[in-house]
Amino acid sequence: EAQVTQNPRYLITVTGKKLTVTCSQNMNHEYMSWYRQDPGLGLRQIYYSMNVEVTDKGDVPEGYKVSRKEKRNFPLILESPSPNQTSLYFCASSLSAQGGYTFGSGTRLTVV
Amino acid sequence: DQQVKQNSPSLSVQEGRISILNCDYTNSMFDYFLWYKKYPAEGPTFLISISSIKDKNEDGRFTVFLNKSAKHLSLHIVPSQPGDSAVYFCAARGYGGSQGNLIFGKGTKLSVKP
Repeated sequence: EAQVTQNPRYLITVTGKKLTVTCSQNMNHEYMSWYRQDPGLGLRQIYYSMNVEVTDKGDVPEGYKVSRKEKRNFPLILESPSPNQTSLYFCASSLSAQGGYTFGSGTRLTVV
Repeated sequence: DQQVKQNSPSLSVQEGRISILNCDYTNSMFDYFLWYKKYPAEGPTFLISISSIKDKNEDGRFTVFLNKSAKHLSLHIVPSQPGDSAVYFCAARGYGGSQGNLIFGKGTKLSVKP
């Protein structure tokens, strides 16, 4: 089944403890992206990647890192999480820019 | 500054009637527009899109209209069904190197009453 898989689905962590949210797609898509969804703010793009080793900042990249060493994987790294990064995170992938993104099921992160 | 705006946080419609969801944008460099639908506890799902060189795109019950001079697009759902109740997001994409930068509005929650 074609899909975008994020792990974990839920995560509670403490301030300052480095964490990684994994994202994998099995559709051989070129584009991948991370979004966060917050009440009243909609979906905001954190980072995106147009191919292996090609990444760029979205609208809210502060406090996040990404890497694209392989086409299928696009992990999101929080080096020192803070409570304002408590959010619902979505990974997405797309074959082309015209195709629109296919989203994963989301990771709900709580930083205490 | 918001580049994609959905000014109505919610919309309620009777089953069988038309639902019209609106979206405004500020950046004339956007070349592609998309609508997504989101149910609670799920990721957004792609619904329909339109290129900036067109003014209408239709897919079954869903039609998107683009008015470039007004920087406005709308999604029409006819007839509306209770299963259409969800949050709808409008999104826009730029040219060239920023094609991966898909910018979303804040969403409109549609409720379709039986």
